Formats: sequence, C-alpha cells, structure tokens
Amino acid sequence: SQQGEEDPQALSIQEGENATMNCSYKTSINNLQWYRQNSGRGLVHLILIRSNEREKHSGRLRVTLDTSKKSSSLLITASRAADTASYFCATDVMGAQKLVFGQGTRLTINP
Amino acid sequence: DTGVSQNPRHKITKRGQNVTFRCDPISEHNRLYWYRQTLGQGPEFLTYFQNEAQLEKSRLLSDRFSAERPKGSFSTLEIQRTEQGDSAMYLCASSRQGQSTEAFFGQGTRLTVV
Repeated sequence: SQQGEEDPQALSIQEGENATMNCSYKTSINNLQWYRQNSGRGLVHLILIRSNEREKHSGRLRVTLDTSKKSSSLLITASRAADTASYFCATDVMGAQKLVFGQGTRLTINP
Repeated sequence: DTGVSQNPRHKITKRGQNVTFRCDPISEHNRLYWYRQTLGQGPEFLTYFQNEAQLEKSRLLSDRFSAERPKGSFSTLEIQRTEQGDSAMYLCASSRQGQSTEAFFGQGTRLTVV
C-alpha cells in the first residue's frame, strides 16, 4: 500500500506562476524525497529533506517538512513549460529500508 | 553515462511467456530496488537488495516473480507465466548505504502482455 498522498492530483497553471504541491504521510520517516517524472520516463531525483530539517532550497525548488503534521510541500517558483511533469513524494520509512511513494501530482504549465 | 541502466526499454510478450529484465546500478551503490508502476499511479515497491542479499520482498511479488543480484552488481527480475495484469513499467533504483541517501532511478522497462 502507498503511504503518501499528494494534493492536488492535478494542477494547471500559467507559465511564470508558482506551483505548490503537498504530500501527507502516515508513519515516522528518516527523510522525504521529491521526484519528477516526464511521461513514460524514469523518475528524476529533485531534492531530499531529512526528518530533522524544516526547509530546503534547490534552485527554483523549495521544500518544507512538518513532521508533527506528517506533511511536506514542494514549491516551484517561476514555472516554465519544461516543468510539465508528474511529481511524486517518497518517504524513507524508518526501519523499512525502502521508499514509499504517493500517487503523484500531475503538473501542467501552460505557455 | 554512469546512471542506472535498464534493459530492455520495452518488452511485448504473449501471455504465458517468461520475461527477464536487467538492471545495472550506479557502480558504487550497494543498495538496489525494484518497483512497479502502472498508469497514473506512483511506483510500488517490489524488492530490495543490499549487495547480493535480498532483504525484503513485497507481498506484490507473487511466486511467479523472482529477482537476483548474484555478485552484488547487476540485478535481474524474471516474471514467469506472464499475465495481462503484469503489464506495467518496471523501475530499478540504486542508492548508497546510509540513513539518508538519495535513490536514483533508471528509465524503466515497459512490459506489455498481450
């Protein structure tokens, strides 16, 4: 079974706007990772945030983690058409030695 | 290219046939994972190796599925007597040992059972 749930399931915005995706999970984690997947392709690792971190930045990406609420958010600023993809959060579950993925958010950037 | 490599990229097979997929992880990574992904869903965990030892198998991995990593380097995933429900993208990932390390994925093998 999948632990994470992403919200929204689909998001469509105009180029240049910011996109925010949320992820909720159920159990204790070592870290949480965000991945991007273009249609029919493999997953590309975007960013990892450890359980003792609250916020992390990488280029146009900003990730937050609230372990008390068991939730994370991914913000993409100044979106581009090339950001169109599905985005998945994956939790490194404590004691489980595997990543557990959510259902993903399908992001569409309109030019 | 020093990323995770999967072969073949696509496989079409008739129901009842056996298929085998190969994954070559990043060379210094001792952890290797197999996932399955169906359309519109997130990847689902199948199995995990640390070096050559298979340490965990999902209940999704029926007795028709077997995975090996004989020398702790590349891995194979075999599906025997394929069924239409096995049609999916099979993803391999590798990572270093450690508590908070990124997992890097290959491009996947898309299996279609007809």
